[in-house]
Amino acid sequence: NAGVTQTPKFQVLKTGQSMTLQCAQDMNHNSMYWYRQDPGMGLRLIYYSASEGTTDKGEVPNGYNVSRLNKREFSLRLESAAPSQTSVYFCASSESWDNSPLHFGNGTRLTVT
Amino acid sequence: AQSVTQPDIHITVSEGASLELRCNYSYGATPYLFWYVQSPGQGLQLLLKYFSGDTLVQGIKGFEAEFKRSQSSFNLRKPSVHWSDAAEYFCAVGAGTGFQKLVFGTGTRLLVSP
Repeated sequence: NAGVTQTPKFQVLKTGQSMTLQCAQDMNHNSMYWYRQDPGMGLRLIYYSASEGTTDKGEVPNGYNVSRLNKREFSLRLESAAPSQTSVYFCASSESWDNSPLHFGNGTRLTVT
Repeated sequence: AQSVTQPDIHITVSEGASLELRCNYSYGATPYLFWYVQSPGQGLQLLLKYFSGDTLVQGIKGFEAEFKRSQSSFNLRKPSVHWSDAAEYFCAVGAGTGFQKLVFGTGTRLLVSP
């Protein structure tokens, strides 16, 4: 029972490089989310997808794009990485968008130099 | 918009002692309240949630939390802490019509001493 799987686990980028963080869930959940976690700031929502075919901005969307590829997969893309995007990124899913509990992946630790 | 405060950044508790982690929220109506736990290198795991009804809710791993509307609080408790409880704990508050409005606190790191 894999739950929410994120790849890669670690990544180092140079400023200006691009990359895509992958996320897949096998729980048949409708909603998926991308959060970033920074020391002393808790988790902040970047983008979410309430259901397949829809995506919306969260609290901190600047510098990111997302794709809900299908019901299982939700990717996060950094087009031109900046040092301010150094963070731990978490993907999460929930059965629906109406305050169902979140299920988290194990995170991707990204460093931008 | 809702907000949540966890006033304690770190807490150290002796193994076997009781634990209380504080969480205060700000929201005009009845909130949806959650406690999550994060072990090192892992994602967050749901401990318990409050939506309505009984204000004392039981969660996994022997944790419980009490919703106190008059104090705008949702403190997490455990009667006897185990070394494996060492982790970071996050309180979260949801409101409105959609989970996208969930707001997390900044977390409390629990250290358990022998």
